[in-house]
Amino acid sequence: GQNIDQPTEMTATEGAIVQINCTYQTSGFNGLFWYQQHAGEAPTFLSYNVLDGLEEKGRFSSFLSRSKGYSYLLLKELQMKDSASYLCAVREGAGNNRKLIWGLGTSLAVNP
Amino acid sequence: NAGVMQNPRHLVRRRGQEARLRCSPMKGHSHVYWYRQLPEEGLKFMVYLQKENIIDESGMPKERFSAEFPKEGPSILRIQQVVRGDSAAYFCASSPLPGQGPHNEQFFGPGTRLTVL
Repeated sequence: GQNIDQPTEMTATEGAIVQINCTYQTSGFNGLFWYQQHAGEAPTFLSYNVLDGLEEKGRFSSFLSRSKGYSYLLLKELQMKDSASYLCAVREGAGNNRKLIWGLGTSLAVNP
Repeated sequence: NAGVMQNPRHLVRRRGQEARLRCSPMKGHSHVYWYRQLPEEGLKFMVYLQKENIIDESGMPKERFSAEFPKEGPSILRIQQVVRGDSAAYFCASSPLPGQGPHNEQFFGPGTRLTVL
């Protein structure tokens, strides 16, 4: 079946580094996405991985291991505004079916 | 380039009434997705549409819920005879054709918050 697992909550300190893990079991794999969602707002796209390895984009990096069904989002130099929910999503289908399977999200609290 | 538009942003209905939620995708996007999100919960996929075609409606409740994406105009999510349990945030997202854009990611609208009294 389909399953996306990520921790429910995490806490970190301003200026620190935090790693949010995501493991997945899906019938197919065609890319993994990370989104950020602030309370009461829409999710916004952060990163995309389809090949193994690390993708870096400023303070945020995302890693993928397809053989292990594992990804992580790394946030460096944490700021208070990084307090949000971080959603991991896997695209299963190819061709015409572009549906994403979503994790429940990790709520990150950044403390001063 | 305007983003994904949803209206209304807030909708209040009494039990038994109908709710119609509208979504206009980003310019150039031909795929629309509807999600439901309850407070403190994750996104629940409902339906995936292209123009005049439902691709995947595996997340739609079998009764009272329907969705369309006509040739002209916005996509509509329609909830008939609403009940209190339908109260949630409903998000619409759009994406371009496969192969267009670097990642073919979904772009989300601001959501419609439905409250059923």
